[in-house]
Amino acid sequence: GQNIDQPTEMTATEGAIVQINCTYQTSGFNGLFWYQQHAGEAPTFLSYNVLDGLEEKGRFSSFLSRSKGYSYLLLKELQMKDSASYLCAVRDGDYKLSFGAGTTVTVRA
Amino acid sequence: IAGITQAPTSQILAAGRRMTLRCTQDMRHNAMYWYRQDLGLGLRLIHYSNTAGTTGKGEVPDGYSVSRANTDDFPLTLASAVPSQTSVYFCASSDSGTSGSNEQFFGPGTRLTVL
Repeated sequence: GQNIDQPTEMTATEGAIVQINCTYQTSGFNGLFWYQQHAGEAPTFLSYNVLDGLEEKGRFSSFLSRSKGYSYLLLKELQMKDSASYLCAVRDGDYKLSFGAGTTVTVRA
Repeated sequence: IAGITQAPTSQILAAGRRMTLRCTQDMRHNAMYWYRQDLGLGLRLIHYSNTAGTTGKGEVPDGYSVSRANTDDFPLTLASAVPSQTSVYFCASSDSGTSGSNEQFFGPGTRLTVL
């Protein structure tokens, strides 16, 4: 099974940067995903890391260190619409996803 | 249909009743999944199917059953609903295989309340 930990809540100001950390313990590893979920909506895919290092997609970047069981999602130039929950998920050796409980990010004006 | 759909959007159900949640995708994805999402617990896998004709148990399968008669449809059945099955249910699908991200695409969810 998987044990995935991420902070429950974070608050930041519009235009700022926020980093959401995720640590995991896994019985097999086939990639780490970040999803965004607005209140009352479905999760949507943000990023995927399977090798160590940084993946950048516009204002969002995701980092992975497999040896440390650690990832972070970096949100730059925060906008009000970035207020959402961010879900860290690990794909195991059977190609099933296990999700963390999610981090609720609130962006203040 | 575009993507993945679920029905009903929401449902209030008396305990002991049988209920089937429907899920259909038009992306020709081999793999499909059912999750429940509860406050503070995140998404938990109930059942999954890697391809039509096969199913498997996830983390929390008790009280639920699934079938996968074809590629597009993956219904979830609660044989005799209990209040602890009150939750938001998400269906998802993905390509299968060992290369690439094969990220999961989620349906809009079904909000189920069991009284």
